[in-house]
Amino acid sequence: KAGVTQTPRYLIKTRGQQVTLSCSPISGHRSVSWYQQTPGQGLQFLFEYFSETQRNKGNFPGRFSGRQFSNSRSEMNVSTLELGDSALYLCASSFRQGANSPLHFGNGTRLTVT
Amino acid sequence: SQQGEEDPQALSIQEGENATMNCSYKTSINNLQWYRQNSGRGLVHLILIRSNEREKHSGRLRVTLDTSKKSSSLLITASRAADTASYFCATDANYGQNFVFGPGTRLSVLP
Repeated sequence: KAGVTQTPRYLIKTRGQQVTLSCSPISGHRSVSWYQQTPGQGLQFLFEYFSETQRNKGNFPGRFSGRQFSNSRSEMNVSTLELGDSALYLCASSFRQGANSPLHFGNGTRLTVT
Repeated sequence: SQQGEEDPQALSIQEGENATMNCSYKTSINNLQWYRQNSGRGLVHLILIRSNEREKHSGRLRVTLDTSKKSSSLLITASRAADTASYFCATDANYGQNFVFGPGTRLSVLP
């Protein structure tokens, strides 16, 4: 079974731009969660999508948004980028919604904002 | 605020030695999980332990859970250089809606 795939692997953007990250979950997994990882804040939960609906959202500004398609693939968008958005963005899929089963992570997208 | 806190922040041992990492959390949980992350890569799930369980084993890994003390420990026996990684505990939060990760323990296993 193929694992979670995130694209692109690396991104360099300028302040004020917007960016879209993509995540393909493990086949059969309907839940996709997004996390931001930084040295200072660690792993922070962004949001979870299940069956194309956002089920839960972390404490991030509205510049961070996402969506999920009917094939469970998910995208995350960050608008009006700030320097502090530089981070490793991790996507994780699971079979069930919520915090009930193991998360399967992709290798992340490293975003650098200059 | 973080639900889980790992201790120590960093640990350096020789190959063959055992490594023990601890995780403390603040509120009641339904389950606790341990993950490993190699530098710059995604997290890999190691073990899930439910609140009604006290101990679980998986190969060289042993996890204990003490709900009265709100703490868990991860023991890696006979460590190898390949075990060098960061280890995170994750607890369910927000009424089981999402996982909250601790800051992690950086383990270095020296050959």
